[in-house]
Amino acid sequence: TQLLEQSPQFLSIQEGENLTVYCNSSSVFSSLQWYRQEPGEGPVLLVTVVTGGEVKKLKRLTFQFGDARKDSSLHITAAQPGDTGLYLCAGVNAGGTSYGKLTFGQGTILTVHP
Amino acid sequence: DAGVIQSPRHEVTEMGQEVTLRCKPISGHNSLFWYRQTMMRGLELLIYFNNNVPIDDSGMPEDRFSAKMPNASFSTLKIQPSEPRDSAVYFCASSLGLANYQETQYFGPGTRLLVL
Repeated sequence: TQLLEQSPQFLSIQEGENLTVYCNSSSVFSSLQWYRQEPGEGPVLLVTVVTGGEVKKLKRLTFQFGDARKDSSLHITAAQPGDTGLYLCAGVNAGGTSYGKLTFGQGTILTVHP
Repeated sequence: DAGVIQSPRHEVTEMGQEVTLRCKPISGHNSLFWYRQTMMRGLELLIYFNNNVPIDDSGMPEDRFSAKMPNASFSTLKIQPSEPRDSAVYFCASSLGLANYQETQYFGPGTRLLVL
C-alpha cells in the first residue's frame, strides 16, 4: 500500500510569515498533485508536478518535486489570511492495477492570522 | 459548466437505515471517483469508474457499501444498513479520463452524512 505522510498536520502563523509543508513517501509516483480545500467545499487542484526535481511557482506558492519522485514540498511566501485552508498532497499512479488512482496525504490545516 | 453535482448536501439518518448518495459528473468526463473524508482517516478513495465500469473498489470498507454508474451522467453510492461510524463527508470527483497522469480531478461539494 502506498502512503503519503504530510507534515506538519497543523500550522498557525501570522500574516507575512513564510511556511513550508512537506509530503513524503517511500513509494515512487508518476506525478504529485497539491490541492487546497476550504470549509464546506471539495478540494481544488493547485498544481501537478511531474518531473523529478521540478519546481513550479504559482504567485506566492512554490512547489517542488523530489529528484526521486517520492517527496514534495509546498512553500508559501508572505502568507495571507486568504491562504487559510486545508492543503492536501496526492500521489498519482500511472501504471498497474491502480492506474489513475490518487493517494492522498492526511493534509495540513493552515491558519494565517491577520 | 455547473461542475460536479452531489445530492443531498446534508443527510441525517438513524442507524440501520439505507442511505443513497448521488453524483452527476461534469459532462464529457469519463472517470468518476467516490471518496470519504474524516478527521481521523483523511481523504480515502472508495471506488472509481472509467467509462461507467468499476476499475478499483478495494477502498470500499464493507459489503454494506455499494456503488453503481448506470450511465455517463449519474452515479450512486449506497450504504445499507448505515452505522454511526459511516458518518463522514462523501465526495464525488470526475476527470476527463485516466490516461494522462496529469489529469485533474474536479471535486463536488460533498455530502455530509451523520448516522445517529
